[in-house]
Amino acid sequence: DARVTQTPRHKVTEMGQEVTMRCQPILGHNTVFWYRQTMMQGLELLAYFRNRAPLDDSGMPKDRFSAEMPDATLATLKIQPSEPRDSAVYFCASGARAGGMFFGPGTRLTVL
Amino acid sequence: DQQVKQNSPSLSVQEGRISILNCDYTNSMFDYFLWYKKYPAEGPTFLISISSIKDKNEDGRFTVFLNKSAKHLSLHIVPSQPGDSAVYFCAASHVIRGGADGLTFGKGTHLIIQP
Repeated sequence: DARVTQTPRHKVTEMGQEVTMRCQPILGHNTVFWYRQTMMQGLELLAYFRNRAPLDDSGMPKDRFSAEMPDATLATLKIQPSEPRDSAVYFCASGARAGGMFFGPGTRLTVL
Repeated sequence: DQQVKQNSPSLSVQEGRISILNCDYTNSMFDYFLWYKKYPAEGPTFLISISSIKDKNEDGRFTVFLNKSAKHLSLHIVPSQPGDSAVYFCAASHVIRGGADGLTFGKGTHLIIQP
């Protein structure tokens, strides 16, 4: 049963600390997305990659956020330094064709 | 500015009745629309989609209607069941040949099915 996996599932950290979230997309999917869910904004697209190349990261605060795909089986989202307003659930999703997007279970981040 | 709007944060429906969830969009470039369902502590899961060349798509108890002139779509669930209680997200995209494209989501509607 192919699925997107994300680690960690929960992360509590203090303001100023670095946070790294990891995602393993479904094998064979060529597009990987990072979304953030908050009560105020709903699901926001932060960044996405196609064939490991970044296509759009306009939704991401560039001064503290960075997204990479070191290889086809791993996508990372890093926040440095983290702030309380970054507290949210971060979802990774992967897809292989238009409209076919599969979400991971999310990483719930709490920055104190 | 929200390009996909779900104006009802929550909706309560009696079991067995019809649930109707609404969604409006402002970007006329959107040509593919989807509904996702989300349970607590899980990621959203795909439910049903519709291309802009159609005005209706049906899958079992779920039907999505698209009114392009009004830039409005709706999801009908009939009959509603307790397991349908979840948050439903409306999403839209401009399809680019060759791969999945980023979806723009609404803020979601929390559907509660009352026994």
